[in-house]
Amino acid sequence: DTGVSQDPRHKITKRGQNVTFRCDPISEHNRLYWYRQTLGQGPEFLTYFQNEAQLEKSRLLSDRFSAERPKGSFSTLEIQRTEQGDSAMYLCASSLAQLLGEKTQYFGPGTRLLVL
Amino acid sequence: AQKVTQAQTEISVVEKEDVTLDCVYETRDTTYYLFWYKQPPSGELVFLIRRNSFDEQNEISGRYSWNFQKSTSSFNFTITASQVVDSAVYFCALSSIVAGNQFYFGTGTSLTVIP
Repeated sequence: DTGVSQDPRHKITKRGQNVTFRCDPISEHNRLYWYRQTLGQGPEFLTYFQNEAQLEKSRLLSDRFSAERPKGSFSTLEIQRTEQGDSAMYLCASSLAQLLGEKTQYFGPGTRLLVL
Repeated sequence: AQKVTQAQTEISVVEKEDVTLDCVYETRDTTYYLFWYKQPPSGELVFLIRRNSFDEQNEISGRYSWNFQKSTSSFNFTITASQVVDSAVYFCALSSIVAGNQFYFGTGTSLTVIP
């Protein structure tokens, strides 16, 4: 396994358009996370899944954002009616959640979104 | 509330110098984890180390070492004999079971190693 992958790596769109990003986690990992990172800041949590269940969403995740992980494997993050303020790097991470164990999240290369 | 503070925004050192990156955290949880990640210009966050709150033993890995002190809520990272390839943004992060395992990141420290 080669790690977490994300597609596309870069996306330029016009304000008002919808965009969708994909994340493929490390295959045996049951947790998948989405973060957003703006210039000069650390990543900010958006949402996470355990298997196919979306367990937590940040207040940062407005109604225009939706995430899915339909079969507990890959995940998609969709932004509807994009705004210039949505321009950021969107990072995906995965981890293997165990009762007392693994907490390390492994990150993908990110999708850099620019809204014109 | 969970919070991570990295007060050093940017640091520049000359190659072969030692450098310490500071990280101070806040949490009310008794069980938590601390992490350091490296983000090179390519953008991908690279995992460096994880520490749980019950293990205060310092760790050394090659030129990297970490100093975890619960008494001061700090988890500092030292690079010995810095190299140009160490130039990156370094993030400290905190997670806990109570907080739902999401990570709380600091704002990062941008390290530039000058040849």
